Amino acid sequence: KAGVTQTPRYLIKTRGQQVTLSCSPISGHRSVSWYQQTPGQGLQFLFEYFSETQRNKGNFPGRFSGRQFSNSRSEMNVSTLELGDSALYLCASRPTGVMNTEAFFGQGTRLTVV
Amino acid sequence: GESVGLHLPTLSVQEGDNSIINCAYSNSASDYFIWYKQESGKGPQFIIDIRSNMDKRQGQRVTVLLNKTVKHLSLQIAATQPGDSAVYFCAEKPTGNQFYFGTGTSLTVIP
Repeated sequence: KAGVTQTPRYLIKTRGQQVTLSCSPISGHRSVSWYQQTPGQGLQFLFEYFSETQRNKGNFPGRFSGRQFSNSRSEMNVSTLELGDSALYLCASRPTGVMNTEAFFGQGTRLTVV
Repeated sequence: GESVGLHLPTLSVQEGDNSIINCAYSNSASDYFIWYKQESGKGPQFIIDIRSNMDKRQGQRVTVLLNKTVKHLSLQIAATQPGDSAVYFCAEKPTGNQFYFGTGTSLTVIP
């Protein structure tokens, strides 16, 4: 079974631009969460999608948004990029209908804003 | 928001020794905990989990201990190997679906 796939792996953008990152969850997983990871900050929760609906949201500005498609693939978008948005963005999927189970992470997308 | 903290940001151990990584969590309602390992350039990888109705759980070379009285979680790695060098994160999950992660402990294994 293929793991969580994130594309692209690396991205360089200029301040003010927008960016879209993609995540394909493990087949059969309908829950997809996004995290931002920066040095010294650990993983900061962005949002979670389930069945095309945002179920939870972290404390990030409205410039960060996401969506989920009917095949459970998810995208996140960051508009008006700032230097501080440079980070590793991780996507994780979880099985459906199982409350206490681990999240399976992708390799992440390394975003650099210059 | 939740707060999951780690007692030590870095840890160095000799190859073959046992490692202990600690974590403090803040929400007494958290019912599920996970330890993740993250190697350079990779996403976090599941190591072991424990539910709040347990105090201890063992895996292959790893043991997780949960002390709900003081809201403390630890990861013990037996016979630490160079391949264990990574950043280790603890995560807690209060009721609901969101995980809260600590900032991580960097483990370095000295050959």
